[in-house]
Amino acid sequence: AQSVTQLGSHVSVSEGALVLLRCNYSSSVPPYLFWYVQYPNQGLQLLLKYTSAATLVKGINGFEAEFKKSETSFHLTKPSAHMSDAAEYFCAVLRGGGTSYGKLTFGQGTILTVHP
Amino acid sequence: GAVVSQHPSWVICKSGTSVKIECRSLDFQATTMFWYRQFPKQSLMLMATSNEGSKATYEQGVEKDKFLINHASLTLSTLTVTSAHPEDSSFYICSAPGIAGVNEQFFGPGTRLTVL
Repeated sequence: AQSVTQLGSHVSVSEGALVLLRCNYSSSVPPYLFWYVQYPNQGLQLLLKYTSAATLVKGINGFEAEFKKSETSFHLTKPSAHMSDAAEYFCAVLRGGGTSYGKLTFGQGTILTVHP
Repeated sequence: GAVVSQHPSWVICKSGTSVKIECRSLDFQATTMFWYRQFPKQSLMLMATSNEGSKATYEQGVEKDKFLINHASLTLSTLTVTSAHPEDSSFYICSAPGIAGVNEQFFGPGTRLTVL
């Protein structure tokens, strides 16, 4: 079964600093991985996704993530944090086929705080 | 991109009453939709898969008689919380795959349910 683990429930950075949000996955098959952002009391917005093409994936708002099979990781980064990046971020893996087709399993979430 | 709407955005009800939440795909058809529940400060947990023209499938531990799902058309799925209790208070979010398939799912803005 596929699963993801996000390391660190809270991450705090200064504006302009590097953002690094960690996600490790467990999967018996090549995974499809996603990063979503959620602002308070809102739904989820897709930041980027890995679907077995390029291992370095660029997303919206300057975010990117690198799929590392050897480390079973899919960490999210952004070179320079902006105040508007403050939100909760979820890593997710797409489950396999059959009756699990289309189902997403989410990590625990990481709240990003950006200080002026 | 594709848009998914939910109605209502928030609802307060008395214990023992039923509440219906709608999920609509506004500019695309969705034969499948997913319903998630998110408790405060927790991640999203898949509740059920809504299938147009057939019965919904529920995740283990989710009471199908309590959470009634009806996929009435290619653009509408409804979740009815029957005989709601305070422990059902949560944030309910639906998602629907776009034309690219399950690799790109679009999430509704969520419905905040508070049961008094």
